[in-house]
Amino acid sequence: SQELEQSPQSLIVQEGKNLTINCTSSKTLYGLYWYKQKYGEGLIFLMMLQKGGEEKSHEKITAKLDEKKQQSSLHITASQPSHAGIYLCGAAASSNTGKLIFGQGTTLQVKP
Amino acid sequence: EAGVAQSPRYKIIEKRQSVAFWCNPISGHATLYWYQQILGQGPKLLIQFQNNGVVDDSQLPKDRFSAERLKGVDSTLKIQPAKLEDSAVYLCASSFHRVRTEAFFGQGTRLTVV
Repeated sequence: SQELEQSPQSLIVQEGKNLTINCTSSKTLYGLYWYKQKYGEGLIFLMMLQKGGEEKSHEKITAKLDEKKQQSSLHITASQPSHAGIYLCGAAASSNTGKLIFGQGTTLQVKP
Repeated sequence: EAGVAQSPRYKIIEKRQSVAFWCNPISGHATLYWYQQILGQGPKLLIQFQNNGVVDDSQLPKDRFSAERLKGVDSTLKIQPAKLEDSAVYLCASSFHRVRTEAFFGQGTRLTVV
C-alpha cells in the first residue's frame, strides 16, 4: 500500500524566515494535495498539483511536484505567526479515485 | 458558499456505547468522504460515497462502524459498540467530482471513548 513520508515532523522558525516541508511517496503520484490544519480542527485546502514539474503559489506559499522523484515540497517565504499549524500532504490513491492517502503531518511553529 | 457542516463538535462516551455523527456536504458535491484521524497521525479514509452509493469502504471496520448517505446529500456515521481505540477526530469531506478535484473538509467531530 502507498505511504507518504513528511519531513521534518516538526519545525520551529523565527518570524520572517523561509522554510520547506517535503513529502515523499512510496509509489507513483496521481495527484498531490496540500492541506493545513489547526489543532483540533478540520483541514483547509491549500493547493493541488497534478502534473510533474507543476508549481503553484498562493500568497507566500509555493508547492512543487517532482513526479519522477515521487516528491512534493511546500515552501513558505517570510513566515508569519499565521502560518503556524499542521501541514499535511495527501496523495490520490490511484488515477480513478478521490481517496487520499495522507502523510503524518508537519507541525510548524513560528516565533514572533 | 457554505462549507461542510458536521455535528456534534465533541462527544464523550463510555466504551460499548453507541454514537452517531452527522455531515452535510457542500451543495452540489456528489462525492462524500468520512476520514478518521487519530492524534498525531494523518487522516485515514473510512468510507467514500458517490451520490448515495458506496465507492470504497475497504478500511471501514464493518463489525462496528456503519455509514449511510440517504438521498445522496446528508450522511451519518455510526459506531456501535465503541472501543477505546475509536477515540479520534472524525472528519467529513466532500468534492464536486470523484477524481482530480480538491476535497473540502468540515471541522470534524472529536470523539473520546472512556
